[in-house]
Amino acid sequence: GAGVSQSPSNKVTEKGKDVELRCDPISGHTALYWYRQSLGQGLEFLIYFQGNSAPDKSGLPSDRFSAERTGGSVSTLTIQRTQQEDSAVYLCASSSDRGATDTQYFGPGTRLTVL
Amino acid sequence: AQSVTQLDSHVSVSEGTPVLLRCNYSSSYSPSLFWYVQHPNKGLQLLLKYTSAATLVKGINGFEAEFKKSETSFHLTKPSAHMSDAAEYFCVVWRGDTGRRALTFGSGTRLQVQP
Repeated sequence: GAGVSQSPSNKVTEKGKDVELRCDPISGHTALYWYRQSLGQGLEFLIYFQGNSAPDKSGLPSDRFSAERTGGSVSTLTIQRTQQEDSAVYLCASSSDRGATDTQYFGPGTRLTVL
Repeated sequence: AQSVTQLDSHVSVSEGTPVLLRCNYSSSYSPSLFWYVQHPNKGLQLLLKYTSAATLVKGINGFEAEFKKSETSFHLTKPSAHMSDAAEYFCVVWRGDTGRRALTFGSGTRLQVQP
C-alpha cells in the first residue's frame, strides 16, 4: 500500500523567503508528526497532530515555524523568513496512534537548502 | 524525561561477522524502545520495537535487541553482517507521557560492512 509521501523532495530557497513543505500520511492514520534531521542537531521532534486535538508544538524551534493539518489528513509545515540554520531534511511520519505499541511510518523527507 | 545514548558513532565490521550496536536509555518509567535504520537517501525504517511484552525482541533482516532493565540497555545485534546492512541506525525512545507522543532519537551509529 501507499506509504507516507512528502513534497517537494528537494527545495532550495534564498534566505528570508517563506517555504511550505507538504506531507500526505498513510490513509487512516490519525497521528502525524514532523521531525527535522540536521547535521548539528541530529533527528529532533517538531510538532505532533492527533485527530482534532490541539497539536503538540513543543518542538518548534521558533515562531517562524508553523504547521497545520487540514481535514485530519494532509499537513503543511511552513517556515517563514528562512535562515541558513533551517537547512535540514524535514521528515514526516504518521501512525494509527494506538499508544506505546504504535509504529511511526516515515516519509522520504524534504531536503531544504537555504542559501 | 526519556533519552537514549548511542555509545558508538561509527562501527565497522567484516561481512559475515557479528554486529553489536550499543544503546543505553534513561527513563523515569518503563519505556517503549525502538531501533530504526536509515539507508543512504532512503527513509527511516523500523527494525524492531520493545513494548514490555518480551525482553528479547526480534526484528527484520535478522536483527534482534534485548531489553536489560538492570543495565538500562537496549543493544542491537545480528549474528552475521551482510553488505546490505551498511546504514545508519538510530536507537529511539517513545515519549509516552500524556500529550507528548513524539519519538526521541539517539545520535545514530553508522555501520560500515567491509567485504
